[in-house]
Amino acid sequence: AQSVTQPDIHITVSEGASLELRCNYSYGATPYLFWYVQSPGQGLQLLLKYFSGDTLVQGIKGFEAEFKRSQSSFNLRKPSVHWSDAAEYFCAVGALWGNKLVFGAGTILRVKS
Amino acid sequence: SQTIHQWPATLVQPVGSPLSLECTVEGTSNPNLYWYRQAAGRGLQLLFYSVGIGQISSEVPQNLSASRPQDRQFILSSKKLLLSDSGFYLCAWGRLYRQRDVNTEAFFGQGTRLTVV
Repeated sequence: AQSVTQPDIHITVSEGASLELRCNYSYGATPYLFWYVQSPGQGLQLLLKYFSGDTLVQGIKGFEAEFKRSQSSFNLRKPSVHWSDAAEYFCAVGALWGNKLVFGAGTILRVKS
Repeated sequence: SQTIHQWPATLVQPVGSPLSLECTVEGTSNPNLYWYRQAAGRGLQLLFYSVGIGQISSEVPQNLSASRPQDRQFILSSKKLLLSDSGFYLCAWGRLYRQRDVNTEAFFGQGTRLTVV
């Protein structure tokens, strides 16, 4: 069965600083990988996804993520964080044939001015 | 375009009362449908998923059940709520996972905040 680990529960960065949120997955084959963002009390919005091809994926709002098979990782990055990026971020893995989408525990991002 | 509706947005129910949360999808057919629960600090827990009418897979044994009476309708129910059922419930739909399908992803509703008192 697939699983996702987000080792950082909370991260605080200064506005304008760079950001990296970590995600490690466990799955027996090449997975679908996703990053979602959730504002308080809201549903989830897709930031980006990886399914094949180029291992560096560009998403919305200036985010990108890099798939590293050797490390089973799919870390999310942004070169310069804005105060509006404060939210909870979820990494997810989808099985090709299992029809399930499994999420990590989430990382809460705080942005200080 | 596809949309997903989930209601109610908030719900306060007494312990032992029944529950029915409804989720409907528009603009697509034969979607995968999912119910997740989000408890504070515990991420998103997959509760149920469905690949077709009447087909329900349960991920976690618990006090809840799910049904899919129509292709684009997914219902989360309980006969008797427990305090531990409190949380934020999210419905999602996804396209079928096909061989490297570029359109594979999941779309979420706005969630239902359930408080059991």
